[in-house]
Amino acid sequence: EVQLVESGGGLVQPGGSLRLSCAASGFTFSDYNMNWVRQAPGKGLEWVSFINSGRRIIHYADSVKGRFTISRDNAQNSLYLQMNSLSDEDTAVYYCARSFGIAVGGPADYWGQGTLVAVSS
Amino acid sequence: DIQLTQSPSSLSASVGDRVTITCQASQGIYNFLAWYQQKPGKAPKLLLYSASKLESGVPSRFSGSGSGTDYTLTISSLQPEDFATYYCQHYSSPPITFGQGTRLEIK
Repeated sequence: EVQLVESGGGLVQPGGSLRLSCAASGFTFSDYNMNWVRQAPGKGLEWVSFINSGRRIIHYADSVKGRFTISRDNAQNSLYLQMNSLSDEDTAVYYCARSFGIAVGGPADYWGQGTLVAVSS
Repeated sequence: DIQLTQSPSSLSASVGDRVTITCQASQGIYNFLAWYQQKPGKAPKLLLYSASKLESGVPSRFSGSGSGTDYTLTISSLQPEDFATYYCQHYSSPPITFGQGTRLEIK
């Protein structure tokens, strides 16, 4: 069974940093592209970042470019999101999502349960 | 950046109704379009991709169509479990974007 389990969320002050992790199991992680997608409370979905299976292709949404860094460890079956210079606009549930096909960012066939990041003083 | 506009933003319907949700892109996306269903407190679920291909395990009452900039999601006969929020997503080129969502409510 495919499973994606996010961790690392929590309460952080504006300007602070946080590192999210996503542990993958039930599939060959190194064969798949991965994404981070977030959802602010009561709002819609926002794609955040993409990394391809071989780690050579990386993309970010303009809203996080220069502040967030996506990475993966295929040996550890894990995806990461390093988030720096956080602001209250980054408050959201963060999902990791597996995507298939050659196109950047989708479609995403498996999602984790999400981890909440709350930025507040 | 490609913008996706979904309509309607919300919709009230009854069990057994046929409903259609549209998604218009600000430029052509070559059928690189997916549809997701999301229920409160849950992660999104992939319904269709490549505009019209049904994801494995998704009931056949869900269908998708369209080309160029205009796409539709149709539910042929609403079931109680279909009341949720639906999102379209393009993946034709980064940055990837989602539509603003359509909330489907019980009439």
